[in-house]
Amino acid sequence: DTGVSQDPRHKITKRGQNVTFRCDPISEHNRLYWYRQTLGQGPEFLTYFQNEAQLEKSRLLSDRFSAERPKGSFSTLEIQRTEQGDSAMYLCASSSRVNRQGGTDTQYFGPGTRLTVL
Amino acid sequence: AQSVTQPDIHITVSEGASLELRCNYSYGATPYLFWYVQSPGQGLQLLLKYFSGDTLVQGIKGFEAEFKRSQSSFNLRKPSVHWSDAAEYFCAVGFSGGYQKVTFGIGTKLQVIP
Repeated sequence: DTGVSQDPRHKITKRGQNVTFRCDPISEHNRLYWYRQTLGQGPEFLTYFQNEAQLEKSRLLSDRFSAERPKGSFSTLEIQRTEQGDSAMYLCASSSRVNRQGGTDTQYFGPGTRLTVL
Repeated sequence: AQSVTQPDIHITVSEGASLELRCNYSYGATPYLFWYVQSPGQGLQLLLKYFSGDTLVQGIKGFEAEFKRSQSSFNLRKPSVHWSDAAEYFCAVGFSGGYQKVTFGIGTKLQVIP
């Protein structure tokens, strides 16, 4: 168990550019999540995958944001035409459905990708 | 919709003193509750969780939390704080109905002084 990994750890880009982040979940986990955390705030849910299916999306995920998990393993989060308001830490988490009562899984987080849009 | 309130943005304690971080939640059904810790520039590490059963939950690093349904609270405690506990602590609530979205509080930043 090597934990959730994210790449890159830091990204600086100019407004209007596209960026893509990658997340590799814990190997046996079939669920994967993306969150965004701005300075002084807690993480905010963006989206969630079970295997390759995207099952939940937040209203925070505008049309400029797209997430994929094509083979049910790693995931990518792309932001098109970045804006200064996109500057944040993007966190990925994963889980394995062990909760037989059907509630929220325990989610394990990666180190995050810090995005700065100039 | 569920929500989480962490009323203390910053807390300063002396090393060796006891600690209690407050968390109140709003959710109509039985909540799934979590406490996470985040060091500067890092991701979140799970300290403990409550789904059901014993309302006093033990976690890692000597932390515990108590679920009080009547007060809609899930406060985090530690009897003796170490300098390495300085970090930001987040309380979070999930659903019992199968949705996987977790809602986090704003966080409490803990400073430990010698």
